[in-house]
Amino acid sequence: DGGITQSPKYLFRKEGQNVTLSCEQNLNHDAMYWYRQDPGQGLRLIYYSQIVNDFQKGDIAEGYSVSREKKESFPLTVTSAQKNPTAFYLCASSRQANTEAFFGQGTRLTVV
Amino acid sequence: AQSVTQLGSHVSVSEGALVLLRCNYSSSVPPYLFWYVQYPNQGLQLLLKYTSAATLVKGINGFEAEFKKSETSFHLTKPSAHMSDAAEYFCAVSVLFNNNDMRFGAGTRLTVKP
Repeated sequence: DGGITQSPKYLFRKEGQNVTLSCEQNLNHDAMYWYRQDPGQGLRLIYYSQIVNDFQKGDIAEGYSVSREKKESFPLTVTSAQKNPTAFYLCASSRQANTEAFFGQGTRLTVV
Repeated sequence: AQSVTQLGSHVSVSEGALVLLRCNYSSSVPPYLFWYVQYPNQGLQLLLKYTSAATLVKGINGFEAEFKKSETSFHLTKPSAHMSDAAEYFCAVSVLFNNNDMRFGAGTRLTVKP
């Protein structure tokens, strides 16, 4: 089945540690995105990529980093510089920018 | 840049009653509009989309939305609520050629009472 897979579903991190969230898609989509979701704030764009080896910052990129070495994969690293990383993270992909997005099931990150 | 405003962070209806979730958009160029649904601890699923074809758009699970340019609205409706409709709903707007700029509303949580 075609789809977008995020792992792990739940992740715990100690303060000061970097952690990487995985996102893989087999939809052959060019565009991929990372969103952060906090209660009552909707979705906020962290990073997006429209093509392999290229990505751009979204509205809240500080404290995060990404790579796009393969079309299928768009991992997100939450660095120790992110002051409030506890949140629900959603990865999405679309055939091209601004068309309908397909979402993964999300990763809930908790800093302990 | 384009934006959407969802009116009402919480909506409660009785089972069998009309569902109406409100979304107003702002865009200087013709927009693409979307409604997504999210169940607890899951990702978002597309309900329906408007891409400049018919103004009345039908989606999955009996939902539909009407694009009204004069009112800059794209409200989501369903004639008869079902318990399984309880979820959070997001309206989103994008425009072509504006380098990946899909904007989401803050969401509306729908509660369905038996």
